[in-house]
Amino acid sequence: QVQLVQSGAEVQKPGASVKISCRASGYTFPAYDLHWVRQAPGQSLEWMGWINNGNGNTKYAQRFQGRVTFTRDTSATTAYMELSSLRTEDTAMYYCARLNWNPNWFDPWGQGTLVTVPS
Amino acid sequence: QSALTQPASVSGSPGQSITISCTGTGSDVGGYNYVSWYQQHPGKAPKLIMYDVNRRPSGVSSRFSGSKSGNTASLTISGLQDEDESDYYCCSYRSSDTWVFGGGTRLTVL
Repeated sequence: QVQLVQSGAEVQKPGASVKISCRASGYTFPAYDLHWVRQAPGQSLEWMGWINNGNGNTKYAQRFQGRVTFTRDTSATTAYMELSSLRTEDTAMYYCARLNWNPNWFDPWGQGTLVTVPS
Repeated sequence: QSALTQPASVSGSPGQSITISCTGTGSDVGGYNYVSWYQQHPGKAPKLIMYDVNRRPSGVSSRFSGSKSGNTASLTISGLQDEDESDYYCCSYRSSDTWVFGGGTRLTVL
């Protein structure tokens, strides 16, 4: 079945970087964009951007520009999200989600990766 | 990039109907029929329950329905059940290949 499996929880110091993986299975990896969404504790979902797994093109939400990088390894059917210059407010659950363009939906979602940046 | 506006909380008794609104602008909700809704139970990933405003994925109960008028989309749950108690998020395409989520609504079944 179509599935996204993310890497495990991370604890990183302020100023460091974190790189999360999202391994896809059950479908043709290059055919679908993967989006990244984060959720701070007790907060709402926040869209971060996406990567076209076919050509590697990316789009980042304005507030993350310059601090986030999406990459992918098509041979490993895995996408990556790297967030740099970590701050305590980056503590959140990070999700990857597959976008179906038309009709338009995010499904499935990865199980989430908790990133903790202690003060 | 401001989030779509949802009520922080709604509540209803079993069997009743509730509606959750999701207000955006002409650049997102009002401009496209790309509104989707997600249900999220505590500690779980979001689950798709509605897409393209009013289309239900296979396996989602017909008690869930969606609509849109102008810049406001709505999710209605009829015949409330205990298992509907959850957080609900709307999401819309917002031009220039960006997307935006709502602030989320906590549904309490009384």
